[in-house]
Amino acid sequence: NAGVMQNPRHLVRRRGQEARLRCSPMKGHSHVYWYRQLPEEGLKFMVYLQKENIIDESGMPKERFSAEFPKEGPSILRIQQVVRGDSAAYFCASSPPFGGGGSNQPQHFGDGTRLSIL
Amino acid sequence: QQPVQSPQAVILREGEDAVINCSSSKALYSVHWYRQKHGEAPVFLMILLKGGEQKGHDKISASFNEKKQQSSLYLTASQLSYSGTYFCGTGSGSRLTFGEGTQLTVNP
Repeated sequence: NAGVMQNPRHLVRRRGQEARLRCSPMKGHSHVYWYRQLPEEGLKFMVYLQKENIIDESGMPKERFSAEFPKEGPSILRIQQVVRGDSAAYFCASSPPFGGGGSNQPQHFGDGTRLSIL
Repeated sequence: QQPVQSPQAVILREGEDAVINCSSSKALYSVHWYRQKHGEAPVFLMILLKGGEQKGHDKISASFNEKKQQSSLYLTASQLSYSGTYFCGTGSGSRLTFGEGTQLTVNP
């Protein structure tokens, strides 16, 4: 499967635990974006990363949330000390390295991780 | 600032046409259109980068009016498979800002 791979598809955590969401971009893509979607709502931008660099994290909550895209391996979205309000679908998208990335390239989405907080 | 999509929802019979609008209060540099079916990933439809640009494939096309800061998605001779929620995403620099979506239902 050459598409964007996210895992796990479903994640259940208790309040106060940590959640780690993983995203492997499409082959040849070096730009990764994370979005959050609440039921019946649109996608909310969280962060835009390139390998080893955070380009734009203006949509990330100031506390408990962090993201990385290491030189090797998938991008990780980490949520510490989860609360009920973190329950949502988290989507990762990727785009190719040419054209400068960002909003000038099509973004291809993974199937998402549905996070539920008990 | 989030773009505004209209209508919020539309119900069609197979074979009918629909137009979905997306407008922004900010200058637009790019407009993306995606379709999402319930419980699935958003699927890229098309991107428009220049004012006045029009694109299309199959029976789905879109236009981008840079001056009016709006884009429209045109679905002609709708098929059952067109059902889903359509999102426009407006580009500014590195980020996309998505509208709240238009729910399209195509009935036989």
